[in-house]
Amino acid sequence: DAKTTQPPSMDCAEGRAANLPCNHSTISGNEYVYWYRQIHSQGPQYIIHGLKNNETNEMASLIITEDRKSSTLILPHATLRDTAVYYCIVRLPHGGSQGNLIFGKGTKLSVKP
Amino acid sequence: DSGVTQTPKHLITATGQRVTLRCSPRSGDLSVYWYQQSLDQGLQFLIQYYNGEERAKGNILERFSAQQFPDLHSELNLSSLELGDSALYFCASSVGGAGGYTFGSGTRLTVV
Repeated sequence: DAKTTQPPSMDCAEGRAANLPCNHSTISGNEYVYWYRQIHSQGPQYIIHGLKNNETNEMASLIITEDRKSSTLILPHATLRDTAVYYCIVRLPHGGSQGNLIFGKGTKLSVKP
Repeated sequence: DSGVTQTPKHLITATGQRVTLRCSPRSGDLSVYWYQQSLDQGLQFLIQYYNGEERAKGNILERFSAQQFPDLHSELNLSSLELGDSALYFCASSVGGAGGYTFGSGTRLTVV
């Protein structure tokens, strides 16, 4: 079962920042937070991941609260091509039965002109 | 192109038949993962292989099996197919550790 809670859907105006929240109140100390997105039946695309520090890459920023019970994915300037289902996942880094990506229902982000 | 290659892209077959889906991981990745995505179930983890050995199993039916070969490509075998097996099947690969997975573009299986 997915260990995260996300809103089922969100809207965002094109050019504005999209802030996607995720609750993971039962996260353990060595579990990472990962974000993926899936654009209409394409393969899921890795966006970013982090353990406890905030992270930024060319696609997005990840803000993790100090208690690590929640996080926010920020797309700084959303475009129509960012319309997708966004998945927040927690996992252990070492793989095996406890370390695989288990997808929940995600958040359907609709970017509108 | 993600670097993970899945073939075929589309497959239509009849109930009761057997099919094989193929996945070539990204160069250097030792782990291969298989996922099933149907309309009503979302993305379901099926099985993981690491360097030729099974590492983890998820919601994989007994009619399904997989293997990873010495060249690291993987095959997912689906037998005694049922209408409910119609889905997108994704393969992903990773180098291991905390890194992200890279997914292929999937195989769309339609059972008629």
